[in-house]
Amino acid sequence: NAGVTQTPKFQVLKTGQSMTLQCAQDMNHNSMYWYRQDPGMGLRLIYYSASEGTTDKGEVPNGYNVSRLNKREFSLRLESAAPSQTSVYFCASSFLPGRGIYNEQFFGPGTRLTVL
Amino acid sequence: ELKVEQNPLFLSMQEGKNYTIYCNYSTTSDRLYWYRQDPGKSLESLFVLLSNGAVKQEGRLMASLDTKARLSTLHITAAVHDLSATYFCAVDIGGGADGLTFGKGTHLIIQP
Repeated sequence: NAGVTQTPKFQVLKTGQSMTLQCAQDMNHNSMYWYRQDPGMGLRLIYYSASEGTTDKGEVPNGYNVSRLNKREFSLRLESAAPSQTSVYFCASSFLPGRGIYNEQFFGPGTRLTVL
Repeated sequence: ELKVEQNPLFLSMQEGKNYTIYCNYSTTSDRLYWYRQDPGKSLESLFVLLSNGAVKQEGRLMASLDTKARLSTLHITAAVHDLSATYFCAVDIGGGADGLTFGKGTHLIIQP
């Protein structure tokens, strides 16, 4: 099993450009998440999807949109990139809701995004 | 709003020494997670603590949870260089598939 995969690994954008970050998991997990990690800030939740067809905002959703394409795939879109969106983006997945009573999340390798 | 605070945020220690990282959180929860992150890498799940008094151990690392004090600790025994990493605690209060709330991380350097 590949676990959680993300593409691309690195990306440089100019202000105002758009792009989509892709995430896929092969663990038959129900929930998927997008976080951003900034120096000294820990990880902050952008959006999550508790099941196929549903999405919800997290702590820092402004400037982002998401799509839960199917059970395996969850994409994050930046419509008009800004320098403040320079960050490392992590996708994660977990079994919840469903099997298990806890929300242990498994993370992808990350996408390092720079917006100039 | 849930707040998760770790301390220290930076720790430099020598091999062979013991130390403890603390994780305090502001809202009642009995589900706490510890992750490890190596430089430039992803997060790896270390421990899942699901009840008051829970204790988990893996090698030189031991994690515990006191839900009444809203405190978790990650204890390092006889540190070795390979344990150098950033350690995050995260709290889950949603009871469902909400996201986790992370502390800012403890950057641990273990010197020979």
